[in-house]
Amino acid sequence: DAKTTQPTSMDCAEGRAANLPCNHSTISGNEYVYWYRQIHSQGPQYIIHGLKNNETNEMASLIITEDRKSSTLILPHATLRDTAVYYCIVRVAGTGSARQLTFGSGTQLTVLP
Amino acid sequence: DAGITQSPRHKVTETGTPVTLRCHQTENHRYMYWYRQDPGHGLRLIHYSYGVKDTDKGEVSDGYSVSRSKTEDFLLTLESATSSQTSVYFCAIRDFQETQYFGPGTRLLVL
Repeated sequence: DAKTTQPTSMDCAEGRAANLPCNHSTISGNEYVYWYRQIHSQGPQYIIHGLKNNETNEMASLIITEDRKSSTLILPHATLRDTAVYYCIVRVAGTGSARQLTFGSGTQLTVLP
Repeated sequence: DAGITQSPRHKVTETGTPVTLRCHQTENHRYMYWYRQDPGHGLRLIHYSYGVKDTDKGEVSDGYSVSRSKTEDFLLTLESATSSQTSVYFCAIRDFQETQYFGPGTRLLVL
């Protein structure tokens, strides 16, 4: 699975959009970009994933650059409850194998009142 | 929520005692996983299962065993707990799109 690079920490004002970047310059054509978050003391929570098209769900939007070497997770209206560590993960899907998820260090997002 | 529960949520035990953690799903998914999370190490895979009675080792399986006699239950057993197994344990399931969903975790302290 391709390696990802994320900033260590970011702050965002409550009610504003939080834009979390991820660099995955060695991504392969069959690798998906996944985003998870982990709120303190809770289990990791799936947010969204995509291959090459932009994706949106009730939690967030995922913007993947045309060359797929980077992506941005957007939380449109951040709340205090969005304070968490956000993980960007790149992995192959559709192989039928068990393939564990490999979490890096992630980005600590702090939403400020 | 993805329909995953873990029990117990917290446990304190003594070195050398056996411990069993339970993961229960209501989603009828084939794949289930046990991870542990420790400061400085992130999430590490212990064991996983790809069906009833079908299990395999992860990267940190020493000292752990698992069993899956029913689709909905995946048990993790520490045969003789050691202080190095003090950790937070997470169970996960994988859906047909290969997205993993995690349980709330079990905090285990081995004294």
